Amino acid sequence: AQSVAQPEDQVNVAEGNPLTVKCTYSVSGNPYLFWYVQYPNRGLQFLLKYITGDNLVKGSYGFEAEFNKSQTSFHLKKPSALVSDSALYFCAVRDISGGSYIPTFGRGTSLIVHP
Amino acid sequence: KAGVTQTPRYLIKTRGQQVTLSCSPISGHRSVSWYQQTPGQGLQFLFEYFSETQRNKGNFPGRFSGRQFSNSRSEMNVSTLELGDSALYLCASSLDPGGLNTEAFFGQGTRLTVV
Repeated sequence: AQSVAQPEDQVNVAEGNPLTVKCTYSVSGNPYLFWYVQYPNRGLQFLLKYITGDNLVKGSYGFEAEFNKSQTSFHLKKPSALVSDSALYFCAVRDISGGSYIPTFGRGTSLIVHP
Repeated sequence: KAGVTQTPRYLIKTRGQQVTLSCSPISGHRSVSWYQQTPGQGLQFLFEYFSETQRNKGNFPGRFSGRQFSNSRSEMNVSTLELGDSALYLCASSLDPGGLNTEAFFGQGTRLTVV
C-alpha cells in the first residue's frame, strides 16, 4: 500500500525567508509525486509534479521540489516566502507500477508566512 | 476559458436522504476525478472517469457512485446519507486520465452538510 506523510501540521516562516514543507512517501513501485495548494474556501491548485527525469522540479509561483529516492522524500521549497503563500499544502503520490494510479494525499501542512 | 464548475456550492441534507452533485469540466477535458475532504480523514480519492468509463475507484462504500456523460460532465451520487458524509466534495478535470501527463484543474467544491 502507498502512503504519504507530511510530518508538520503547521510551518511558520517570516516573509522573505526561505520555506520548506516536508513530504515523505512510501510506494512499492515508481512514484508520481504532486504538490497542491488550497486557499481558504477554495479547491486545490496544482503546483508541480515529479514523474521522471531531473530530480529538481520547478513549479508555479516560484515553488520547487526535490525528489530524493534514497530518502523517499519530495520536499516543497521556495527561496523567499510571501505573505500570499499562506495556505494549506498537500503532497500526493501515485504508484504507477500497479496500473491503477489511485492518488494518496498527505494530511496537509498549513503554511503561515508572517509579515 | 471557463474553469471547472461544481454545483451546487452548498447543500444541506438529512440523514437517510440521497444527493447528487454535478461537475462540469473544462471544455475539451475528458477526465474527471472526484475527492472527499474532511477534517478527520483529509483528502481521499473517490473515483475517476475518462470518456464515460470509470477507470479507478477509491475505498468507499457502494453508497457512493458516479457517472460521466458523453459531454464529459460528471455526477456523483451518495445514497442513504450518514452524518459522516458531511464534507467538501471536490472534482478535477484534465486532458489525460488523472492529469498524470498534463495538469489537473479543480473546482471550488460542493460543501455537503448532513444533519
